[in-house]
Amino acid sequence: GAVVSQHPSWVICKSGTSVKIECRSLDFQATTMFWYRQFPKQSLMLMATSNEGSKATYEQGVEKDKFLINHASLTLSTLTVTSAHPEDSSFYICSAKSGTENEKLFFGSGTQLSVL
Amino acid sequence: SQKIEQNSEALNIQEGKTATLTCNYTNYSPAYLQWYRQDPGRGPVFLLLIRENEKEKRKERLKVTFDTTLKQSLFHITASQPADSATYLCALSVTGGGNKLTFGTGTQLKVEL
Repeated sequence: GAVVSQHPSWVICKSGTSVKIECRSLDFQATTMFWYRQFPKQSLMLMATSNEGSKATYEQGVEKDKFLINHASLTLSTLTVTSAHPEDSSFYICSAKSGTENEKLFFGSGTQLSVL
Repeated sequence: SQKIEQNSEALNIQEGKTATLTCNYTNYSPAYLQWYRQDPGRGPVFLLLIRENEKEKRKERLKVTFDTTLKQSLFHITASQPADSATYLCALSVTGGGNKLTFGTGTQLKVEL
Protein backbone atom coordinates (compact mmCIF):
# COMPACT_ATOMS: atom_id res chain seq x y z
CA GLY A 1 0.00 0.00 0.00
CA ALA A 2 0.89 3.66 -0.21
CA VAL A 3 3.34 5.03 2.35
CA VAL A 4 3.09 8.37 4.09
CA SER A 5 6.09 9.59 6.05
CA GLN A 6 5.71 12.16 8.80
CA HIS A 7 8.55 13.96 10.55
CA PRO A 8 9.38 14.56 13.32
CA SER A 9 7.84 11.83 15.45
CA TRP A 10 7.95 13.99 18.52
CA VAL A 11 9.00 17.51 19.37
CA ILE A 12 9.32 19.48 22.58
CA CYS A 13 9.44 23.24 22.30
CA LYS A 14 9.19 26.34 24.42
CA SER A 15 6.04 28.42 24.48
CA GLY A 16 6.08 31.08 21.79
CA THR A 17 8.20 29.20 19.29
CA SER A 18 7.05 27.79 15.96
CA VAL A 19 7.16 24.15 14.98
CA LYS A 20 7.06 22.70 11.48
CA ILE A 21 5.79 19.20 10.76
CA GLU A 22 6.41 17.56 7.40
CA CYS A 23 4.25 15.01 5.66
CA ARG A 24 5.49 13.21 2.56
CA SER A 25 3.87 10.69 0.27
CA LEU A 26 6.73 8.37 -0.61
CA ASP A 27 5.47 6.27 -3.50
CA PHE A 28 2.51 8.19 -4.85
CA GLN A 29 1.43 11.70 -5.64
CA ALA A 30 -1.08 13.27 -3.30
CA THR A 31 -3.00 16.26 -4.60
CA THR A 32 -4.86 16.35 -1.32
CA MET A 33 -3.59 15.76 2.18
CA PHE A 34 -5.46 16.05 5.45
CA TRP A 35 -4.21 17.21 8.83
CA TYR A 36 -5.75 15.85 12.01
CA ARG A 37 -5.09 16.38 15.69
CA GLN A 38 -5.87 13.92 18.43
CA PHE A 39 -6.02 14.40 22.18
CA PRO A 40 -5.54 11.42 24.51
CA LYS A 41 -8.42 8.94 24.32
CA GLN A 42 -10.27 11.15 21.86
CA SER A 43 -11.10 10.91 18.21
CA LEU A 44 -9.14 12.33 15.33
CA MET A 45 -10.35 15.83 14.61
CA LEU A 46 -9.89 17.13 11.09
CA MET A 47 -8.08 20.45 11.13
CA ALA A 48 -7.68 21.24 7.46
CA THR A 49 -7.53 19.90 3.95
CA SER A 50 -4.29 20.69 2.17
CA ASN A 51 -4.52 21.14 -1.58
CA GLU A 52 -1.45 21.12 -3.80
CA GLY A 53 -0.85 24.49 -5.36
CA SER A 54 -3.68 26.27 -3.60
CA LYS A 55 -4.76 27.44 -0.18
CA ALA A 56 -5.73 24.97 2.48
CA THR A 57 -9.33 24.61 3.56
CA TYR A 58 -9.69 24.88 7.32
CA GLU A 59 -12.40 23.34 9.47
CA GLN A 60 -14.59 25.55 11.58
CA GLY A 61 -12.82 26.72 14.70
CA VAL A 62 -9.30 26.10 13.42
CA GLU A 63 -7.22 29.28 13.20
CA LYS A 64 -5.56 29.45 9.80
CA ASP A 65 -3.00 31.99 11.02
CA LYS A 66 -2.09 29.70 13.88
CA PHE A 67 -1.77 26.53 11.87
CA LEU A 68 -0.07 27.35 8.58
CA ILE A 69 -0.31 24.73 5.88
CA ASN A 70 1.80 24.65 2.75
CA HIS A 71 1.36 22.04 0.03
CA ALA A 72 4.02 23.11 -2.43
CA SER A 73 4.42 19.82 -4.27
CA LEU A 74 2.50 16.65 -4.99
CA THR A 75 4.48 14.76 -2.35
CA LEU A 76 4.93 17.25 0.48
CA SER A 77 2.64 19.12 2.82
CA THR A 78 3.82 20.99 5.90
CA LEU A 79 1.98 22.14 8.99
CA THR A 80 3.54 24.95 11.01
CA VAL A 81 2.22 25.61 14.48
CA THR A 82 3.05 29.25 15.02
CA SER A 83 3.70 30.78 18.43
CA ALA A 84 2.92 27.49 20.09
CA HIS A 85 1.37 27.42 23.54
CA PRO A 86 0.85 24.55 26.00
CA GLU A 87 -2.75 24.11 24.83
CA ASP A 88 -1.40 23.27 21.37
CA SER A 89 0.23 20.17 22.81
CA SER A 90 -1.34 17.27 20.98
CA PHE A 91 -0.78 14.41 18.56
CA TYR A 92 -0.82 15.70 14.98
CA ILE A 93 -1.35 13.25 12.15
CA CYS A 94 -1.32 13.79 8.41
CA SER A 95 -2.97 11.61 5.83
CA ALA A 96 -3.34 11.36 2.10
CA LYS A 97 -5.32 9.57 -0.55
CA SER A 98 -3.51 7.98 -3.45
CA GLY A 99 -4.86 8.34 -6.93
CA THR A 100 -5.62 4.66 -7.33
CA GLU A 101 -7.22 4.12 -3.93
CA ASN A 102 -8.89 7.43 -3.40
CA GLU A 103 -11.46 6.44 -0.81
CA LYS A 104 -9.23 5.25 2.00
CA LEU A 105 -6.69 7.32 3.86
CA PHE A 106 -3.03 6.51 4.33
CA PHE A 107 -1.76 8.02 7.54
CA GLY A 108 1.61 9.19 8.67
CA SER A 109 2.96 7.92 11.97
CA GLY A 110 2.02 11.13 13.76
CA THR A 111 3.89 13.86 15.62
CA GLN A 112 3.58 14.28 19.35
CA LEU A 113 3.99 17.96 20.14
CA SER A 114 4.70 19.04 23.70
CA VAL A 115 4.85 22.76 24.38
CA LEU A 116 6.43 23.75 27.67
CA SER B 1 -26.29 17.08 15.39
CA GLN B 2 -24.18 14.48 13.68
CA LYS B 3 -22.65 11.81 15.89
CA ILE B 4 -20.53 8.72 15.48
CA GLU B 5 -20.58 6.57 18.58
CA GLN B 6 -18.32 3.72 19.51
CA ASN B 7 -18.20 1.98 22.83
CA SER B 8 -15.74 3.98 24.91
CA GLU B 9 -15.18 1.13 27.31
CA ALA B 10 -12.37 -1.24 26.49
CA LEU B 11 -13.38 -4.66 25.21
CA ASN B 12 -11.46 -7.52 26.83
CA ILE B 13 -11.74 -10.95 25.27
CA GLN B 14 -9.91 -14.23 25.42
CA GLU B 15 -7.60 -15.36 22.67
CA GLY B 16 -9.40 -17.43 20.04
CA LYS B 17 -12.79 -15.80 20.62
CA THR B 18 -14.57 -13.47 18.23
CA ALA B 19 -14.41 -9.77 19.02
CA THR B 20 -17.38 -7.64 17.95
CA LEU B 21 -17.14 -3.86 17.92
CA THR B 22 -20.02 -1.50 17.25
CA CYS B 23 -20.26 1.79 15.42
CA ASN B 24 -23.52 3.74 15.53
CA TYR B 25 -24.17 7.01 13.78
CA THR B 26 -26.90 9.62 13.69
CA ASN B 27 -27.80 12.31 11.20
CA TYR B 28 -25.45 10.99 8.56
CA SER B 29 -26.10 9.56 5.12
CA PRO B 30 -22.75 7.91 4.53
CA ALA B 31 -21.61 6.97 1.06
CA TYR B 32 -19.32 4.44 2.74
CA LEU B 33 -17.97 3.47 6.12
CA GLN B 34 -14.43 2.48 6.97
CA TRP B 35 -12.65 0.77 9.82
CA TYR B 36 -9.12 1.61 10.92
CA ARG B 37 -6.74 0.19 13.49
CA GLN B 38 -4.65 2.52 15.64
CA ASP B 39 -1.80 1.45 17.88
CA PRO B 40 -0.58 3.74 20.70
CA GLY B 41 1.44 6.69 19.42
CA ARG B 42 0.87 5.73 15.77
CA GLY B 43 -1.32 6.84 12.92
CA PRO B 44 -4.37 4.76 11.99
CA VAL B 45 -4.09 1.96 9.45
CA PHE B 46 -6.90 1.20 7.01
CA LEU B 47 -8.61 -2.17 7.41
CA LEU B 48 -11.88 -2.35 5.51
CA LEU B 49 -14.33 -0.21 3.54
CA ILE B 50 -17.99 -1.00 3.04
CA ARG B 51 -20.34 0.96 0.81
CA GLU B 52 -23.91 2.02 1.54
CA ASN B 53 -25.30 -0.61 -0.86
CA GLU B 54 -23.28 -3.45 0.67
CA LYS B 55 -24.39 -5.52 3.63
CA GLU B 56 -21.20 -7.35 4.48
CA LYS B 57 -17.50 -7.35 3.65
CA ARG B 58 -14.81 -9.83 4.61
CA LYS B 59 -11.05 -9.83 4.65
CA GLU B 60 -9.22 -12.77 6.18
CA ARG B 61 -10.29 -12.86 9.86
CA LEU B 62 -12.15 -9.56 9.60
CA LYS B 63 -15.81 -9.03 8.80
CA VAL B 64 -17.78 -5.80 8.61
CA THR B 65 -21.54 -5.41 8.35
CA PHE B 66 -23.39 -2.24 7.46
CA ASP B 67 -27.05 -1.64 8.25
CA THR B 68 -28.14 1.75 6.94
CA THR B 69 -31.62 1.29 8.43
CA LEU B 70 -30.25 0.77 11.93
CA LYS B 71 -27.43 3.22 11.17
CA GLN B 72 -24.95 0.77 12.52
CA SER B 73 -21.83 -1.11 11.52
CA LEU B 74 -20.43 -4.14 13.29
CA PHE B 75 -16.77 -5.09 13.06
CA HIS B 76 -15.82 -8.68 13.84
CA ILE B 77 -12.42 -10.24 14.39
CA THR B 78 -12.58 -14.02 14.46
CA ALA B 79 -10.00 -16.25 16.14
CA SER B 80 -8.63 -13.19 17.90
CA GLN B 81 -4.97 -13.00 18.85
CA PRO B 82 -3.07 -10.82 21.35
CA ALA B 83 -1.58 -9.03 18.33
CA ASP B 84 -5.08 -7.80 17.51
CA SER B 85 -5.02 -5.65 20.65
CA ALA B 86 -5.38 -2.03 19.52
CA THR B 87 -7.92 0.75 19.20
CA TYR B 88 -10.35 0.36 16.32
CA LEU B 89 -11.89 3.43 14.72
CA CYS B 90 -14.85 3.68 12.42
CA ALA B 91 -15.04 6.53 9.97
CA LEU B 92 -17.77 7.89 7.74
CA SER B 93 -17.67 9.67 4.44
CA VAL B 94 -20.85 11.40 3.38
CA THR B 95 -22.08 11.94 -0.14
CA GLY B 96 -20.90 15.33 -1.30
CA GLY B 97 -18.63 15.61 1.70
CA GLY B 98 -15.58 16.38 -0.39
CA ASN B 99 -13.75 13.15 0.45
CA LYS B 100 -13.54 14.10 4.12
CA LEU B 101 -13.72 11.37 6.71
CA THR B 102 -15.18 11.84 10.17
CA PHE B 103 -13.94 9.45 12.84
CA GLY B 104 -15.52 7.90 15.89
CA THR B 105 -13.69 7.93 19.21
CA GLY B 106 -12.63 4.33 18.82
CA THR B 107 -12.91 1.22 20.96
CA GLN B 108 -9.88 -0.30 22.62
CA LEU B 109 -9.66 -4.06 22.20
CA LYS B 110 -7.53 -6.21 24.49
CA VAL B 111 -7.05 -9.85 23.62
CA GLU B 112 -5.79 -11.85 26.54
CA LEU B 113 -4.01 -15.18 26.57
